Amino acid sequence: DQQVKQNSPSLSVQEGRISILNCDYTNSMFDYFLWYKKYPAEGPTFLISISSIKDKNEDGRFTVFLNKSAKHLSLHIVPSQPGDSAVYFCAAIRYNQGGKLIFGQGTELSVKP
Amino acid sequence: DAGVIQSPRHEVTEMGQEVTLRCKPISGHNSLFWYRQTMMRGLELLIYFNNNVPIDDSGMPEDRFSAKMPNASFSTLKIQPSEPRDSAVYFCASSPTPTNTEAFFGQGTRLTVV
Repeated sequence: DQQVKQNSPSLSVQEGRISILNCDYTNSMFDYFLWYKKYPAEGPTFLISISSIKDKNEDGRFTVFLNKSAKHLSLHIVPSQPGDSAVYFCAAIRYNQGGKLIFGQGTELSVKP
Repeated sequence: DAGVIQSPRHEVTEMGQEVTLRCKPISGHNSLFWYRQTMMRGLELLIYFNNNVPIDDSGMPEDRFSAKMPNASFSTLKIQPSEPRDSAVYFCASSPTPTNTEAFFGQGTRLTVV
């Protein structure tokens, strides 16, 4: 039972353009959503998060949007840079479950110069 | 702080052998998580501990998998006997509190069972 889904395994974008990574979830009880970034041979690192009571959170070039009615969130990267090339994981959490993160399958972003 | 430290970085073993993966969480972090990364399911949570106590092991795939946390600075994930389908990257992560949203990951152990 995959509660968090990233249906696009890969995405290719030109440098300077916008990258949009999508994530869907099935459990309406999730309290918080996070995006992690992962480079090859490294562990995932936290990128940005959003509370379920908000619909947008922005941090520099990164913005996360949450649509609760559609159970959908997205990560926008503007402008995209070659150094953004990595695998991006969407994750969700419920506070009463001790903080354990439920991850999606990941989307590999390639930003071409 | 050195971050979450995992060892070994790479492990190649023969089917049927016992494998032990090790993790040292960030000092002061009370929660520890073991994840497995596969192409099909992404990052799967196997088990997590809070204050050295296993809270949820529902993600452990089979009885061949076991995890321990004898103290606040060390945890192990053991697979016995190992099988080729266990080949994956195993990550350990730690978090300051059980309700903290952000977890900090180690660099992972790439396990290959031949």
